[in-house]
Amino acid sequence: GAGVSQSPRYKVAKRGQDVALRCDPISGHVSLFWYQQALGQGPEFLTYFQNEAQLDKSGLPSDRFFAERPEGSVSTLKIQRTQQEDSAVYLCASSFSTYQDSSYEQYFGPGTRLTVT
Amino acid sequence: SQKIEQNSEALNIQEGKTATLTCNYTNYSPAYLQWYRQDPGRGPVFLLLIRENEKEKRKERLKVTFDTTLKQSLFHITASQPADSATYLCAPANAGNNRKLIWGLGTSLAVNP
Repeated sequence: GAGVSQSPRYKVAKRGQDVALRCDPISGHVSLFWYQQALGQGPEFLTYFQNEAQLDKSGLPSDRFFAERPEGSVSTLKIQRTQQEDSAVYLCASSFSTYQDSSYEQYFGPGTRLTVT
Repeated sequence: SQKIEQNSEALNIQEGKTATLTCNYTNYSPAYLQWYRQDPGRGPVFLLLIRENEKEKRKERLKVTFDTTLKQSLFHITASQPADSATYLCAPANAGNNRKLIWGLGTSLAVNP
């Protein structure tokens, strides 16, 4: 079956522009995660959804970052007034797990590479 | 704050040997720990999960250990192959409703033919 897909794969934005990054999780997966990965670093947690509920947004670096998952499937990460330090790969992952079961593994998309010039 | 440390240096080994990667964590008591593989330009791929009450887990040529006293996990690849060359990431996590992962920086492994 289809895995996690993300679009666009590459995005170049001028400083100050708004961007929207899309994630299509695996069908039926309850949990959805966004991570930010800088070059040579491990992923950094941004936010977590369980269905449409955003349960944790503690990793969002500023109020310029906003994520939503209105119908509990597709998610969008929006970055307003982009800055150069926002340049990174943005990874989306989905998981079947809820707190009631033991399927913990996360399935990642290929990422969106954002470059802010 | 929670801190995850993996081998900082890249690991170069000869094909056929066993690769051993280390993951140490501080200020943290994870309920389980996952290992992922990441190739350039791709997202991480899940390999193995080990729970706090398990000492060791195996899957084909992979073996993971979890020592909650030492706060350390070791990841072994036996009979390594050039195709095993990648970055390997460890990610401890808490039990409960929030399944977010806290990641190490990763260890780059190169298996030379």
